[in-house]
Amino acid sequence: RKEVEQDPGPFNVPEGATVAFNCTYSNSASQSFFWYRQDCRKEPKLLMSVYSSGNEDGRFTAQLNRASQYISLLIRDSKLSDSATYLCVVNGKGSSASKIIFGSGTRLSIRP
Amino acid sequence: NAGVTQTPKFQVLKTGQSMTLQCAQDMNHEYMSWYRQDPGMGLRLIHYSVGAGITDQGEVPNGYNVSRSTTEDFPLRLLSAAPSQTSVYFCASGTVSSYNEQFFGPGTRLTVL
Repeated sequence: RKEVEQDPGPFNVPEGATVAFNCTYSNSASQSFFWYRQDCRKEPKLLMSVYSSGNEDGRFTAQLNRASQYISLLIRDSKLSDSATYLCVVNGKGSSASKIIFGSGTRLSIRP
Repeated sequence: NAGVTQTPKFQVLKTGQSMTLQCAQDMNHEYMSWYRQDPGMGLRLIHYSVGAGITDQGEVPNGYNVSRSTTEDFPLRLLSAAPSQTSVYFCASGTVSSYNEQFFGPGTRLTVL
């Protein structure tokens, strides 16, 4: 089983829609969770960290469910510029904290 | 600050050739790592380092060597290139204290014939 798994998509939604992605992880000792965004043929960039209590940044909301070992990303009022691949990232605890694992990414396409 | 730089941007090798992908950062980050990205596979961790003189294997280390003689540089060596190593290679750096944000270089697109 892969350490971090995501639905590859693609998700194709109209502008203004709300879209949600999930990501599951296998290491129950994982401590840090993130969402990155990657545009076509570009390097990934941090979108937001994911905290236990959930966190929001404008139109983006991230949630962590430790019991079920998944994190989620919700995008409200989607814009054309949100079209990208969204990568779920997890790192471990203690001696594994420095091992940062990326999911394979979920492709999102926003249509006018 | 230049951030994370990678050279070359593009490279074509023949099977069996060796080469070194260069990565440098000027942010004084302790943590550096190498990933490869293949279509549909996301980024897979090859090797990483938490400081000068310290390296460790990631998910897919076979066929690659690294060293970390300085904080700034983290070269990736392909010992004997194989077509399966055709990929886009990203180098990243960040702080050890939180691992909160990884800063990526622009990538090296490698083709092995």
